[in-house]
Amino acid sequence: DIQMTQSPSSLSASVGDRVTITCRASQPISSYLNWYQQKPGKAPNLLIYAASSLQSGVPSRFSGSGSGTDFTLTISSLQPEDFATYYCQQSYNTWTFGQGTKVEIK
Amino acid sequence: QVHLQESGPGLVKPSETLSLTCTVSGGSISTDNWSWIRQPPGKGLEWIGYLYYGGSPNYNPSLKSRVTISLDTSKKQFLLRLSSVTAADTAVYYCARGRANYVQYFMDVWGKGTTVTVSS
Repeated sequence: DIQMTQSPSSLSASVGDRVTITCRASQPISSYLNWYQQKPGKAPNLLIYAASSLQSGVPSRFSGSGSGTDFTLTISSLQPEDFATYYCQQSYNTWTFGQGTKVEIK
Repeated sequence: QVHLQESGPGLVKPSETLSLTCTVSGGSISTDNWSWIRQPPGKGLEWIGYLYYGGSPNYNPSLKSRVTISLDTSKKQFLLRLSSVTAADTAVYYCARGRANYVQYFMDVWGKGTTVTVSS
């Protein structure tokens, strides 16, 4: 199985901050990497697919980068509605999620 | 626009089989792939498996011996069966559509989720 490790597990940030979340795969997965946002009590919502492609309707302050084993999700200017938990997910092989990164208000 | 709706018993007894249905509306079930994902209380997401129309299912190795995912195209539904459940299978269960960007899949439409508790 391919293991996905996110860091940090949680972070505190203020509105307007630039936030970066990383995801590392236990073996190379090319760009078969997706990012989701989940708010409490809600289903996950796709933000980024294929490592860097922005899903339709997702604000442009979200961006993704990386290839191989190391990936990054960046929020350029954190907004109040962005406080949530973020998950990476690989679709290279039997699918797996990272453990999640909770973004909290500072 | 495609919508997904999970349904099934909210309570299942230990050692029994959990059965859930995901109903697809607003689109075809004969394209894309169809996944089940679960989330235990207070924990992260766990992919259970997916199925393509006309294809073989692909399951999480840790659940493979207990999971069956199938399609009922006449009803536009896909089904999850998880046998020999224990309290560890208590979770919110989501269904989701997998779409492809060339060969790279992502889950772009999700149901709202249904809570299943395993308890006697």
